[in-house]
Amino acid sequence: EPEVTQTPSHQVTQMGQEVILRCVPISNHLYFYWYRQILGQKVEFLVSFYNNEISEKSEIFDDQFSVERPDGSNFTLKIRSTKLEDSAMYFCASSDDRDQPQHFGDGTRLSIL
Amino acid sequence: DQQVKQNSPSLSVQEGRISILNCDYTNSMFDYFLWYKKYPAEGPTFLISISSIKDKNEDGRFTVFLNKSAKHLSLHIVPSQPGDSAVYFCAANFPQGGSEKLVFGKGTKLTVNP
Repeated sequence: EPEVTQTPSHQVTQMGQEVILRCVPISNHLYFYWYRQILGQKVEFLVSFYNNEISEKSEIFDDQFSVERPDGSNFTLKIRSTKLEDSAMYFCASSDDRDQPQHFGDGTRLSIL
Repeated sequence: DQQVKQNSPSLSVQEGRISILNCDYTNSMFDYFLWYKKYPAEGPTFLISISSIKDKNEDGRFTVFLNKSAKHLSLHIVPSQPGDSAVYFCAANFPQGGSEKLVFGKGTKLTVNP
């Protein structure tokens, strides 16, 4: 069964450094998403992406964050200058239409030191 | 932000019995509801969904019921199996109204005892 893959599974970064989280969505999907889950809290929406542009973003997704689809298969989340509070599990998801289920990857655990 | 609430943090049932997981929501704009299952160190796995034009959707052992007037949905698992032990998340959005953003509940940890 097709799946969303995320790399790396765990990323440790010094505060203030840039980090790029990578995702390969399901191949025929057109809608892409990033969510995060801080330890002990709910899964929270960050951003959705369709047709090479952001379609929706949350208040969390400030100027430190950016997303890109650099080629036909990858979807990346960049955090420009990481803060301690960015430590979380980051999940990528994709769907083949806006009113279809979103399918999630296994996440990247981001630890900021 | 408590738009989607799962008030039971945990539930324990015997193998073979029914598991009923509950979810309440406050945003009347939601028109699509989903249940996800999550094992430790894995991402949420889609289980079943329902649109607001229906009140029931069934897929094998899993059935989701939607009561729009009460803003309540439930997931029934019959019969429950030990492999169903996981955290179950309720989620909702309103794609027909222009938002694909999923709003999640806090989850209910289901334990199915052999």
